[in-house]
Amino acid sequence: SYVLTQPPSVSVPLGQTARITCGGNNIRSKSVHWYQQKPGQAPVLVVYDDSDRPSGIPERFSGSNSGNTATLTISRVEAGDEADYYCQVWDSSSDHVVFGGGTKQTVL
Amino acid sequence: EVQLVESGGGLIQPGGSLRLSCAASGFTVSNNYMTWVRQAPGKGLEWVSIIYSGGSTYYADSVKGRFTFSRDNSKNTLYLQMNSLRAEDTAVYYCARARRLTTAGTTYFDYWGQGTLVTVSS
Repeated sequence: SYVLTQPPSVSVPLGQTARITCGGNNIRSKSVHWYQQKPGQAPVLVVYDDSDRPSGIPERFSGSNSGNTATLTISRVEAGDEADYYCQVWDSSSDHVVFGGGTKQTVL
Repeated sequence: EVQLVESGGGLIQPGGSLRLSCAASGFTVSNNYMTWVRQAPGKGLEWVSIIYSGGSTYYADSVKGRFTFSRDNSKNTLYLQMNSLRAEDTAVYYCARARRLTTAGTTYFDYWGQGTLVTVSS
């Protein structure tokens, strides 16, 4: 089955740029989606189809996908961006959904 | 406004059964792909099951043969029947609406409920 690998944690100073990676074999051939989850809350979709943003998500959130790594980039990080972030793909070979293990982002 | 409200969670003994419900409003579940995702305490998201608009269902290997995903179109409600429950099934269970991008061959989840906690323990 397909595996997505995320770093367990990242730390970024307030106002700087955060980059959260999601690794997978030839992931560029898949469409990657990203979710933000704050403590005690349900996940929220922040990027879909590699780089599209749902309505209401700030332009500070962007995504890219190349080679074996997809990246969620958060510009001008705010205190409110402190959360867990998960990447997700659809494994068409099995009709299964795959999530990465999640990355806890801390804002310094 | 799209809303998803889960219910039915609780404390259940190992080997027992539980049925979760997810009441949808603001859209029609039978016209959409819908999914269940769970999260064990302090852990990451784990996909559980998906139902297609046509009614086909798929399950994670960890629950296949024990869980059944169904829907009642007249009530616009989804159900997750969970049998032979194990301690490792302890989690918050979320239902979510799935969006299918046919050209990209992918599916993602745009609306989530707040979740219902299932605790399997003696």
